[in-house]
Amino acid sequence: QPVVTQPTSLSASPGASARISCTLRSGINLDNYRIYWYQQKPGSLPRYLLRYKSDSDTQQGSGVPSRFSGSKDASTNAGLLLISGLQSEDEADYYCAIWYSSTVLFGRGTKLTVL
Amino acid sequence: EVQLVESGGGLVQPGGSLRLSCAASGFTFSNYAMSWVRQAPGQGLEWVSGISDSGTGTYYADSVKGRFTISRDISKNTLYLQMNSLRAEDTAVYYCARVISDSSALPGDYWGQGTLVTVSS
Repeated sequence: QPVVTQPTSLSASPGASARISCTLRSGINLDNYRIYWYQQKPGSLPRYLLRYKSDSDTQQGSGVPSRFSGSKDASTNAGLLLISGLQSEDEADYYCAIWYSSTVLFGRGTKLTVL
Repeated sequence: EVQLVESGGGLVQPGGSLRLSCAASGFTFSNYAMSWVRQAPGQGLEWVSGISDSGTGTYYADSVKGRFTISRDISKNTLYLQMNSLRAEDTAVYYCARVISDSSALPGDYWGQGTLVTVSS
């Protein structure tokens, strides 16, 4: 079982909210980890969106709108990327990552479709 | 303006070697950890390696440990990735990235444009 798991795809309507999960393998304590989120549009470089561990330990990437935020769901051991007021330009691949045992582990990415 | 410019990619046969470089400018290079991240064609992001600001700490993905070596030359503001024993599965675009200043090796706001490495006979 991978350390980090993301849903392959997600679709939502313009103006709605999207919630992308990043589930840590059972036995890995979500409380101990910062969850990092990246956005990549086709043909573009990855963009660092934000980091979230708790409400007091969070960081927004440079120029990232406040529509993008982080959270956690302890019941599913998952970090969450929340995007409110979806726009067509939010259509992209989203990757989560953690710093785990002195390595960076990326999830396999979630393709967000806005339609 | 922060700039990261990779070079050194190309076509190499399986078992061969390449050295990638990443020239940094627009910031104090010695103050930041750096990482290499790769992306195979049509695939997701894979972190490859990271190095601390001083160069004393180095970190590797299991997939490249023992084959790749990361280093930096502070005097030249340049990051390197020496890649040996290359395999077809190492084929990817390799990005260098400045690390977020939080004691991890997670890439932050600045990425290079990438250099393509193709391993094929």
